[in-house]
Amino acid sequence: EVQLVESGGGVVQPGGSLRLSCAASGITFSSFSMHWVRQTPGKGLEYVLGISGNGGSTNYGKSVRGRFTISRDNFKKMVYLQMGSLRVEDMGVYYCAKGESDYPRPYQLDSWGQGTLVTVSS
Amino acid sequence: EIVLTQSPGTLSLSPGERVTLSCRASQSLSASYLAWYQHKPGQAPRLLIYGSSTRATGIPDRFSGSGSGTDFTLTISRLEPEDSAVYYCQQYGGAFGPGTKVEIK
Repeated sequence: EVQLVESGGGVVQPGGSLRLSCAASGITFSSFSMHWVRQTPGKGLEYVLGISGNGGSTNYGKSVRGRFTISRDNFKKMVYLQMGSLRVEDMGVYYCAKGESDYPRPYQLDSWGQGTLVTVSS
Repeated sequence: EIVLTQSPGTLSLSPGERVTLSCRASQSLSASYLAWYQHKPGQAPRLLIYGSSTRATGIPDRFSGSGSGTDFTLTISRLEPEDSAVYYCQQYGGAFGPGTKVEIK
């Protein structure tokens, strides 16, 4: 059974940085792309970032290019989201999700974690 | 850039009713490029349908997907109380539609 467990959420001031982590189990980790999706207050799901199975390619959503980066450690079966220059509008629940293949642009996201909450407030 | 819109924004229906949710793309999409998700408060989103019409593992057969080109549909044949959720369509590459909230009367 695939399990994805996010951690690292918390309270951060506007302009600050935060790193989220996602631990995967139950899959051949390097065979699949991994992604971050967020839900901001009162809004729907928003695709944030994805990374290919080998970590060589990324896929950005519309609103975080230049501020957020994604990386992975296939030995540890971990994926990371480094968030910088955080804004109030970045506040929300961040989900880690698995792609259906190793390509960074997903057709679908077939397994999800429970999410970690990021609060941006002074 | 292809933009997805969903309608209606909210639906309120009784158990047993048939539900039809719409997802419209601003440009034609390959049927392979459209997925549907269910998201309940406090839970992880769940993949329901991929490739426009293929049910994901473990999804009840009351959920079905169809469509092509710019118009796609998620149908729930007989609404159950546990189907209360927000439903999203998603295109290849990751972008989601705004969602449709389904409420049970």
